[in-house]
Amino acid sequence: GESVGLHLPTLSVQEGDNSIINCAYSNSASDYFIWYKQESGKGPQFIIDIRSNMDKRQGQRVTVLLNKTVKHLSLQIAATQPGDSAVYFCAERWDTGRRALTFGSGTRLQVQP
Amino acid sequence: DAEITQSPRHKITETGRQVTLACHQTWNHNNMFWYRQDLGHGLRLIHYSYGVQDTNKGEVSDGYSVSRSNTEDLPLTLESAASSQTSVYFCASSESPFQPQHFGDGTRLSIL
Repeated sequence: GESVGLHLPTLSVQEGDNSIINCAYSNSASDYFIWYKQESGKGPQFIIDIRSNMDKRQGQRVTVLLNKTVKHLSLQIAATQPGDSAVYFCAERWDTGRRALTFGSGTRLQVQP
Repeated sequence: DAEITQSPRHKITETGRQVTLACHQTWNHNNMFWYRQDLGHGLRLIHYSYGVQDTNKGEVSDGYSVSRSNTEDLPLTLESAASSQTSVYFCASSESPFQPQHFGDGTRLSIL
């Protein structure tokens, strides 16, 4: 399948542990943020999103934290499973005059059984 | 189920040729986007559309064009393919600015 990047930062965790993937975003005026998961040969798949008027949002096994003071976004995955192995991208909507997203370069998550 | 499909999944062509990549969505979304993804980069925006007859340039639009004649389709055309345009291309759609974009599975384009 398509390779999304041979030199991505990689996070390696043991199955069952919690994972934290970090992202520094670029624009203090960004008002909407999304985490995507991308598996080899597939398009990005939506995981969770958060608006800038929130600090935290929880989904099923995932939590997104937003720290606007330092322009930092994190994705926490509880009880990481082998199926979570993928590349994870954060995206921000930083131009409120348009509806497109700006993506980070991604982090590869490897889950060891 | 609603979906977004891209075709072809793989294409090889020669420099100077015109190439069109198809994107079709059944979500009935007004907003559609084209991105390219290269090694060492995230997704970069090529063109986008807010609705029928609307098109806008993204950050890497040179050498590409789009047209939006209906809600479902946003074809991407490379007018004269260049080797620098070898990449994986993704199409996406969204319902509104605060809704996530749904992505297709991409087209791998190789220009020789």
